[in-house]
Amino acid sequence: KNEVEQSPQNLTAQEGEFITINCSYSVGISALHWLQQHPGGGIVSLFMLSSGKKKHGRLIATINIQEKHSSLHITASHPRDSAVYICAVTPRGSQGNLIFGKGTKLSVKP
Amino acid sequence: DAGVIQSPRHEVTEMGQEVTLRCKPISGHDYLFWYRQTMMRGLELLIYFNNNVPIDDSGMPEDRFSAKMPNASFSTLKIQPSEPRDSAVYFCASRQRRTGTGKVYVGKDTQYFGPGTRLTVL
Repeated sequence: KNEVEQSPQNLTAQEGEFITINCSYSVGISALHWLQQHPGGGIVSLFMLSSGKKKHGRLIATINIQEKHSSLHITASHPRDSAVYICAVTPRGSQGNLIFGKGTKLSVKP
Repeated sequence: DAGVIQSPRHEVTEMGQEVTLRCKPISGHDYLFWYRQTMMRGLELLIYFNNNVPIDDSGMPEDRFSAKMPNASFSTLKIQPSEPRDSAVYFCASRQRRTGTGKVYVGKDTQYFGPGTRLTVL
């Protein structure tokens, strides 16, 4: 079993829809990260969370430490949001190395 | 700052050849990570350095892989000899000191990724 599991693997949405991507992990962590990888391949950090909720623009990330679960929400989705979204965790006690989920491929249709 | 710089962006080589991938981290960052991404396994940590010292190389697949960081602004990942199963995208990432500051929605532990090197071993 992978230490970081994401669902769904693939997601197709219509422009304007509210999107949720889920991430569950099985190890103790000091932080959880959401990353975005565009078709060109570049990887960008969206959020780093250790508790609660963070918001940036149309993106919201939440984490429940007790349940070892995080969600990434996209409100009013747009075709430019199409990308692979990757959940990653920093194991507790580590110096910042990441363990990654397999990613969720999101396609937003106009 | 130009961000994390990797070279080459694409590399095609034949089995058995030596391959060297290069990375220049963001100035002032004291952690450097090497990752590999494949369709089957996704992103995996290979090795990371702190202040030019290797901290954890448990992700390095085998002795054919080696990584060095001779100074704070340069790191190499070498594969010798290369095999077709080494074909992947190799990413380098760097991170600033924990006592640094970051943007509101990302923290001081945020890693900044290079554009990657797509390696094809024939």
